[in-house]
Amino acid sequence: DADVTQTPRNRITKTGKRIMLECSQTKGHDRMYWYRQDPGLGLQLIYYSFDVKDINKGEISDGYSVSRQAQAKFSLSLESAIPNQTALYFCATSERDRMGGYTFGSGTRLTVV
Amino acid sequence: GIQVEQSPPDLILQEGANSTLRCNFSDSVNNLQWFHQNPWGQLINLFYIPSGTKQNGRLSATTVATERYSLLYISSSQTTDSGVYFCAVGYQGGSEKLVFGKGTKLTVNP
Repeated sequence: DADVTQTPRNRITKTGKRIMLECSQTKGHDRMYWYRQDPGLGLQLIYYSFDVKDINKGEISDGYSVSRQAQAKFSLSLESAIPNQTALYFCATSERDRMGGYTFGSGTRLTVV
Repeated sequence: GIQVEQSPPDLILQEGANSTLRCNFSDSVNNLQWFHQNPWGQLINLFYIPSGTKQNGRLSATTVATERYSLLYISSSQTTDSGVYFCAVGYQGGSEKLVFGKGTKLTVNP
């Protein structure tokens, strides 16, 4: 099983619908992140969480919300999806005390029509 | 905020060739990572290298923090090296979040 699992892998939804992307990890890491990738661009940070009670906005949080249900679970919601939220979404984890590498999930490809 | 610039934006090689990818950043960093995104979209962490030099097989990386750049070397390239290579940095006052460059797209032809 993957260390960081994202569901669904692909999703097509209609404008105005609410959608939730889920992320779970078995790394035991405290820190979790949601990133968005648009074609030809790098990744932009949407939200991040350093523990269950610590949630912070990233660069592009408008139109998104998150929930950290447990240390291992971090969900991203689009309250009312719009077409320019069509993108590849990644969840990532990292350790608290030792600055090290990020581990990414396989991504969710979201299309809003 | 910190700026991260990667060069070249695109690179095409024949199998067996060597290459150097560059990452420049605009401020002091305490975290620098290189990632490879394969053609299927998966992101793999290659190196955590805020300073110094590391090697892993045909890949190596060097970060000169005082001069604000990092280099990723790929030797004897293979078609499986194709994809996009991202540099990402974290900095003091950035709450340990990573800021990504726009990447270098590498195509290795057989």
